[in-house]
Amino acid sequence: SYELTQPPSVSVSPGQTARITCSGDALPKKYAYWYQQKSGQAPVLVIYEDTRRPSGIPERFSGSSSGTLATLTISGAQVEDEADYYCFSPDSTTIGVFGGGTKLTVL
Amino acid sequence: QVQLVQSGAEVKKPGASVKVSCKASGYTFIGYYLYWVRQAPGQGLEWMGWIDPNSNGTNYAQKFQGRVTMTRDTSISTAYMDLSRLRRDDTAVYYCVRDLTGAFDLWGQGTMVTVSS
Repeated sequence: SYELTQPPSVSVSPGQTARITCSGDALPKKYAYWYQQKSGQAPVLVIYEDTRRPSGIPERFSGSSSGTLATLTISGAQVEDEADYYCFSPDSTTIGVFGGGTKLTVL
Repeated sequence: QVQLVQSGAEVKKPGASVKVSCKASGYTFIGYYLYWVRQAPGQGLEWMGWIDPNSNGTNYAQKFQGRVTMTRDTSISTAYMDLSRLRRDDTAVYYCVRDLTGAFDLWGQGTMVTVSS
C-alpha cells in the first residue's frame, strides 16, 4: 500500500527556517498538500498543489517538490507555528493517504 | 458563513454502529465532494473515503470497506457517515471535510466517538 513518510519531529529556534519533508513514490506524479494542526483544533490547509498557498496563510509558508520528496518550508518560524504538520497526496484518482505527521517545536 | 457543522459526541459499545452527520452551509452543497477523515487519540490523520453529494457516488478506503457507509440528503445539505461493528480502536475524532479539487479547504469541528463497554 502507498505510504508517505515524514520525520516525527523537527525543532527550530524562533526566526530560523524549518523544513519538513514528505517522501512518497507517487510524488513525482501526484501533488502534495500540507496541513497544520494545532493542539485541540481541526487541521488547516497551508499548502496545496505542491507550492500554492491559500489566502490568509502567511508568506513564510512555502512548498516545493522534487522527485519523490515534497518539502514544507517555514521561513522565520514563529512560536505560533508550533503544531503538527501532515502531508497528503492522492495514491490514484480515488484514493488518498496522509503522512504520519511531524511535530514542529519552535523554542 | 461557509461552514460544516457536525453532530455531537457519541459513546457506543463494541459491536454497535454510529452515524455522524455533517451539515453544510454557505456554499452549494452538491458542488464539492465531502471526505471523512478520522484521528485516534494522539495519532495521525486517517483518510476514510468520500461522497459526491451530486451523484451520490462514494469511494471508501479498503480498510473500512464493508463497515462504512457514506450518504447524503441534498434537501438539507447534510452528509452522513455510518460506521458499523465498532471496535475499541475506532475511538477517534471524525471530521467531515470539503474537497476543493484535491485540497481539503474546509473542515468540520470534529465529532468524538468513544467505543467502550
